[in-house]
Amino acid sequence: EPEVTQTPSHQVTQMGQEVILRCVPISNHLYFYWYRQILGQKVEFLVSFYNNEISEKSEIFDDQFSVERPDGSNFTLKIRSTKLEDSAMYFCASSDSTTLAAEAFFGQGTRLTVV
Amino acid sequence: DQQVKQNSPSLSVQEGRISILNCDYTNSMFDYFLWYKKYPAEGPTFLISISSIKDKNEDGRFTVFLNKSAKHLSLHIVPSQPGDSAVYFCAARIFGNEKLTFGTGTRLTIIP
Repeated sequence: EPEVTQTPSHQVTQMGQEVILRCVPISNHLYFYWYRQILGQKVEFLVSFYNNEISEKSEIFDDQFSVERPDGSNFTLKIRSTKLEDSAMYFCASSDSTTLAAEAFFGQGTRLTVV
Repeated sequence: DQQVKQNSPSLSVQEGRISILNCDYTNSMFDYFLWYKKYPAEGPTFLISISSIKDKNEDGRFTVFLNKSAKHLSLHIVPSQPGDSAVYFCAARIFGNEKLTFGTGTRLTIIP
């Protein structure tokens, strides 16, 4: 069964450093997303990406964040100058449509720890 | 911003009995609802969904009920099995909008 894969599974970084979280969405999917879950809190939408551009973003997704699809398979989330409060589980997801019947498939997540 | 609420953080159910997980929402623009299941150290896995034009959708042991007037939906699992032990998230979406709004989750424990 096709799946969304994320690397690394766990990333530890020092405050102020840049991190890149990587995702390989399902191959025939066209819509890509990043969500995050701070420990003990709900899963929160960060950004959606379609046709090589951001289609929607939340208020969390400020200038510190950027996304890119550098080739035909990878989808990355870059966090510049990480802060302690960026520590969370980051989930990549993909879907093949935004029509009513579509659902997003999630990866297993990258746990980001900022120290 | 608690547009989607799951008021029960945890639920324990005997194996073989029915599990009922509840979800309330406040945004009347939501017209598509999904349930996801999440095991530790894994991403959410899609379970079942329902459009606002329906009041029930069934898939095997899983049934989702939607009461639009009450802005309430529920997930029924019957019979409950030990492998159902996980955190269940309710999520909602506005048609044509890509963002899913999640609830805080309910941890379901099935007691053998």
